[in-house]
Amino acid sequence: KNEVEQSPQNLTAQEGEFITINCSYSVGISALHWLQQHPGGGIVSLFMLSSGKKKHGRLIATINIQEKHSSLHITASHPRDSAVYICAVKRKLIFGTGTRLQVFP
Amino acid sequence: DVKVTQSSRYLVKRTGEKVFLECVQDMDHENMFWYRQDPGLGLRLIYFSYDVKMKEKGDIPEGYSVSREKKERFSLILESASTNQTSMYLCASRVGTGVAKNIQYFGAGTRLSVL
Repeated sequence: KNEVEQSPQNLTAQEGEFITINCSYSVGISALHWLQQHPGGGIVSLFMLSSGKKKHGRLIATINIQEKHSSLHITASHPRDSAVYICAVKRKLIFGTGTRLQVFP
Repeated sequence: DVKVTQSSRYLVKRTGEKVFLECVQDMDHENMFWYRQDPGLGLRLIYFSYDVKMKEKGDIPEGYSVSREKKERFSLILESASTNQTSMYLCASRVGTGVAKNIQYFGAGTRLSVL
């Protein structure tokens, strides 16, 4: 079993939908990252959080340390949000396999 | 502005060749990392470096070595490239350890094909 599990693996949505991507982990962590990878390979760090909730524009990340679970929410999704979203935990970063999101207009 | 630069976006090499992948960051970061990314396997850490001349093996170091002679540059070396090293290679850097400084900045990636 992977130490970091993401769900769903693939997600399709209509423009405007509220989207949630989940990440569960089984190891002790000091922080959790949400990353975004666009076609072509470039990776952007969206959030780093160790407790509570963070918000940036239409993106919201939450983490529950006791339940070892984090969620990434996208409000009012747009085709430009189409990417692979990856959660990563721990100092050396153990990566989930990613969630491929496609948003259709 | 944060900048991590990988020397090549695409690289094609032959089996047995020695391959150098270069990564440079201009943020005076202490820590640098090399990952490879393969379909279905996600990102896997190959090597990382805490400081100049200091390196540690990641999860899949076999077949690779690294060099960190200067703080801004972290090189990944394939001593004798093999076809199973065909992959996307990503370099990253971060300021240092500790939760407040834990954000990694990634380069654009080098897609290596070994024929």
